[in-house]
Amino acid sequence: AQSVTQLGSHVSVSEGALVLLRCNYSSSVPPYLFWYVQYPNQGLQLLLKYTTGATLVKGINGFEAEFKKSETSFHLTKPSAHMSDAAEYFCAVSVDQAGTALIFGKGTTLSVSS
Amino acid sequence: DAGVIQSPRHEVTEMGQEVTLRCKPISGHDYLFWYRQTMMRGLELLIYFNNNVPIDDSGMPEDRFSAKMPNASFSTLKIQPSEPRDSAVYFCASSLTPKNYGYTFGSGTRLTVV
Repeated sequence: AQSVTQLGSHVSVSEGALVLLRCNYSSSVPPYLFWYVQYPNQGLQLLLKYTTGATLVKGINGFEAEFKKSETSFHLTKPSAHMSDAAEYFCAVSVDQAGTALIFGKGTTLSVSS
Repeated sequence: DAGVIQSPRHEVTEMGQEVTLRCKPISGHDYLFWYRQTMMRGLELLIYFNNNVPIDDSGMPEDRFSAKMPNASFSTLKIQPSEPRDSAVYFCASSLTPKNYGYTFGSGTRLTVV
């Protein structure tokens, strides 16, 4: 069965510091992987996705993630945090070969201090 | 495009009452998903449709829950009778091709059952 584990429910960084949000997955089929961001009282917004091809994927707002099959990981990074990055971040993996239905991790809340 | 539109944004109801949540997907999107978000369980996939046909409803928690998609521009999620443990934020999402484009989420309906 597919599963997603996000290590650390809460991450705090200073403005300008590196952001690293960890995601490990388990999948019995080639995975499609996604990161979403959720701001308070809003729906989730797609940050980036991995389907096939290049394992380093770039998304919006300067975020990127690297698919590492050997480590079953898809960690999200940003070189320099901004105050506006404070939000909750969700990693998701597809549960079927068509990449249609997704299961989500429990989320990581990112706090950014000045 | 106005995005995925959900109504109402907030719903407070008494235990035992019927609750209907509504969703208008993005025009042209063939897939529609209903998710439930709680602190304890995170985001759970309840059901999804492809071309108005329910494909997987294995996430629907009980027979009290039902979902319909009578046409390409409208879907409902109904809970009858409602219970306090149904209190959650319910999200609707739509997609053209999930593995290529991910999902576009609505702003959610916050349901409180007292």
